[in-house]
Amino acid sequence: EDKVVQSPLSLVVHEGDTVTLNCSYEVTNFRSLLWYKQEKKAPTFLFMLTSSGIEKKSGRLSSILDKKELSSILNITATQTGDSAIYLCAVDSGGSNYKLTFGKGTLLTVNP
Amino acid sequence: DTAVSQTPKYLVTQMGNDKSIKCEQNLGHDTMYWYKQDSKKFLKIMFSYNNKELIINETVPNRFSPKSPDKAHLNLHINSLELGDSAVYFCASSQLGGIYEQYFGPGTRLTVT
Repeated sequence: EDKVVQSPLSLVVHEGDTVTLNCSYEVTNFRSLLWYKQEKKAPTFLFMLTSSGIEKKSGRLSSILDKKELSSILNITATQTGDSAIYLCAVDSGGSNYKLTFGKGTLLTVNP
Repeated sequence: DTAVSQTPKYLVTQMGNDKSIKCEQNLGHDTMYWYKQDSKKFLKIMFSYNNKELIINETVPNRFSPKSPDKAHLNLHINSLELGDSAVYFCASSQLGGIYEQYFGPGTRLTVT
């Protein structure tokens, strides 16, 4: 069974700190890894990483895929209170199943 | 212009009742999904449809039945509701299953009393 594990489960930091969130996976056929941010409602897409795109950056957020270690990190620099959310990692295990397996998420709280 | 919409946003009902949740996407996507998010925020896929055809049917009780009248709509009907069905149900869609990112609807919070 496909498995996605995120750590830490929760994290409390102060504004301006830099955080690193971790995601490791065990899947039968890896196709892509996705990061989502979930505030009060629906998860919103952040990044997708594949074998041909192992590093992505958008503003203060960046993510790297390590295919050898079967893991990914999401970095947020100069955190702001608006970054407080649950960050979800999901892996697409390919095939014809169109299935994303999600981790349990990391709850990030950024205090002023 | 909402890309993926769900109705209703909140649903409170009693055990044993039958209820439906509707989902519509105006993104022209081929694939739609239903997810269940429990109280611990764990998001788990239930069903996936590609061009009105069922692709994924995870281990979900038979009381849950998805219906896709066309590729822009995927509804979820739940029979004989149980307390354990209380959760937030998210609909999502993507251009091509798994290759592109999924866009999520706002969720339907179902409370069974």
